[in-house]
Amino acid sequence: RKEVEQDPGPFNVPEGATVAFNCTYSNSASQSFFWYRQDCRKEPKLLMSVYSSGNEDGRFTAQLNRASQYISLLIRDSKLSDSATYLCVVSSHSGYSTLTFGKGTMLLVSP
Amino acid sequence: NAGVTQTPKFQVLKTGQSMTLQCAQDMNHNSMYWYRQDPGMGLRLIYYSASEGTTDKGEVPNGYNVSRLNKREFSLRLESAAPSQTSVYFCASSGTGGPEKLFFGSGTQLSVL
Repeated sequence: RKEVEQDPGPFNVPEGATVAFNCTYSNSASQSFFWYRQDCRKEPKLLMSVYSSGNEDGRFTAQLNRASQYISLLIRDSKLSDSATYLCVVSSHSGYSTLTFGKGTMLLVSP
Repeated sequence: NAGVTQTPKFQVLKTGQSMTLQCAQDMNHNSMYWYRQDPGMGLRLIYYSASEGTTDKGEVPNGYNVSRLNKREFSLRLESAAPSQTSVYFCASSGTGGPEKLFFGSGTQLSVL
């Protein structure tokens, strides 16, 4: 049973494009949601938290749909430097061992 | 700023050999973690230490041991390496931002032959 599912991609987009990724989760008790970014052969880094009302950080917008149990990440005006794998992360309750990582969605931005 | 430092970056072992992966953080974080990342799978928690002096099993602890040496350092030991432990290992820490906001080290690529 896959707890956090993501389309592995790759999503190939030109610079300047808008791209969106979705992530679905199976545990309806999940409480906290995050997007991490992982460059090739590098460590994951927290990109942004996802709040119930949706939130924006510059060109990045994250949204949560609890009824349908999915979160999304929208990237506007894609840059070459946005090329990376985006990991969806879900926490079922507050605690140190409750994070579930998705396998990631790869984004490739081309000139 | 060093953040989370892991050593070594690469290691090749033969089946049955032992080794210790070292991790240190300089962010004064209370909590530290060891994850493994395998192709086609999400990051999986091996062990964690919520605070100095405590350690707990994560999702995939078999074949590993850990030591929280002090607040800064958290080591992972493979007593008898197996090919199934070939993976990329990440150490991470978290602080006042909450356990979900992890800061990762740069990883150790381990191959067990």
